[in-house]
Amino acid sequence: SAVISQKPSRDICQRGTSLTIQCQVDSQVTMMFWYRQQPGQSLTLIATANQGSEATYESGFVIDKFPISRPNLTFSTLTVSNMSPEDSSIYLCSVVGTGQETQYFGPGTRLLVL
Amino acid sequence: DAKTTQPPSMDCAEGRAANLPCNHSTISGNEYVYWYRQIHSQGPQYIIHGLKNNETNEMASLIITEDRKSSTLILPHATLRDTAVYYCIVSGSSNTGKLIFGQGTTLQVKP
Repeated sequence: SAVISQKPSRDICQRGTSLTIQCQVDSQVTMMFWYRQQPGQSLTLIATANQGSEATYESGFVIDKFPISRPNLTFSTLTVSNMSPEDSSIYLCSVVGTGQETQYFGPGTRLLVL
Repeated sequence: DAKTTQPPSMDCAEGRAANLPCNHSTISGNEYVYWYRQIHSQGPQYIIHGLKNNETNEMASLIITEDRKSSTLILPHATLRDTAVYYCIVSGSSNTGKLIFGQGTTLQVKP
């Protein structure tokens, strides 16, 4: 399975600011996804990060709030913009390798917004 | 996407087999059954997946009923480190690999 790292692992931010989370994979992958896990809740898919084009967002998530980049097959970023305390969550990236059926998850970024 | 139904919580004695059920009565013919677990807010860990046949790997066994409407994840010898939230998910190529997580089953392994 791919080795996935996320930066930062955790952060505490002030409301109104933005944070960019990085996801790096040690091999080229076909698909990359971003999920959110609010406190005490299950994971919710935010968007599919498309290489070289705009991300595909799920219902309830918009590009202005969660801009995503994927410049190549091993790297993606998620920005949480104009943060509020309700954005306090764990943000996780996941990947599907070329020719594989299985999705693997990164360790997550724990975000607290004050 | 097919929805799944899991019991919210289960207990298991250490060293015994843990059998976690999942109902997915609306599963489509090309959808796989995936199992993941999440240990205390770490990233979900892939366990096993299957389409029709039973599957076994070093972590667990997956038993899928013949009509594919339900499945059971078996941890043959549960340890305290298996305490986690276990998610049963159905997904296929038709939804471009997206995983829809339910609330899962919280498995508590007790000494």
